[in-house]
Amino acid sequence: AQSVAQPEDQVNVAEGNPLTVKCTYSVSGNPYLFWYVQYPNRGLQFLLKYITGDNLVKGSYGFEAEFNKSQTSFHLKKPSALVSDSALYFCAVRDFQTGANNLFFGTGTRLTVIP
Amino acid sequence: DTEVTQTPKHLVMGMTNKKSLKCEQHMGHRAMYWYKQKAKKPPELMFVYSYEKLSINESVPSRFSPECPNSSLLNLHLHALQPEDSALYLCASSQGDRGPLAQYFGPGTRLLVL
Repeated sequence: AQSVAQPEDQVNVAEGNPLTVKCTYSVSGNPYLFWYVQYPNRGLQFLLKYITGDNLVKGSYGFEAEFNKSQTSFHLKKPSALVSDSALYFCAVRDFQTGANNLFFGTGTRLTVIP
Repeated sequence: DTEVTQTPKHLVMGMTNKKSLKCEQHMGHRAMYWYKQKAKKPPELMFVYSYEKLSINESVPSRFSPECPNSSLLNLHLHALQPEDSALYLCASSQGDRGPLAQYFGPGTRLLVL
C-alpha cells in the first residue's frame, strides 16, 4: 500500500526565513509525489511534482521540493517565506495499486508565516 | 483556460431534498474526479471518470450519484443525505487517468445538510 505522512500538524516561521514542510512516503516501486496548497475556503492548488530525474524539483510561487530516496522523504522548501504563504499544505502520492491517477493525500500541515 | 469551476459555492439542504453539484473544465482533460473533504482533513476520493465513463467508485453510498454528460462536465446528484455528509466537495480534472499527471482542483462546494 502507498501512503504519505506529514509529521507536523503546524509549522510556524518568521517572514523572510527559510521554510520546510516535511513529508515522508511509503510506496512499492517508484514514487510519484505531489505537493498541493489550500488557502482558506478554497480548493487545492498544484505546486509541484516529482516523477523521476533531478532530486530537486522547482514549482510555483518559488517553492521547491527535495526528493530523497534513502530517507523516503519529499520535503517542501522555500528560501524566504512570505506572509501570503500561510495556508494548508498537502503532500500526495499517486495510487499505484489501481493503476489510475487517483491521489492519496497526507493529513496536511498548516503553515503560518509570522510578520 | 486553466480553471475548474464549481457551482454552487455553498449549498444548504434538508435530508429529504434532491440537489446537484456541478463541475466544469475547458482544459480538454479526459479524467475528472469528485473528492469529499471534512474540516481539517485531507480530501478523500469518491469517484473517478475517465473518458466519460465511471472508472472508480470508492464504495460511496448510493445517495451520491455521479454523472458525466460530456468531457467538460461532471455532476454529483445528491438525495436523502445525512448531516454527516456535510463537507467541502471538490472537483478535479487531469489530462488522463494514467501516469503521474497533476490534478487541477475547483474551489469546491461547501455543503451543509440539516
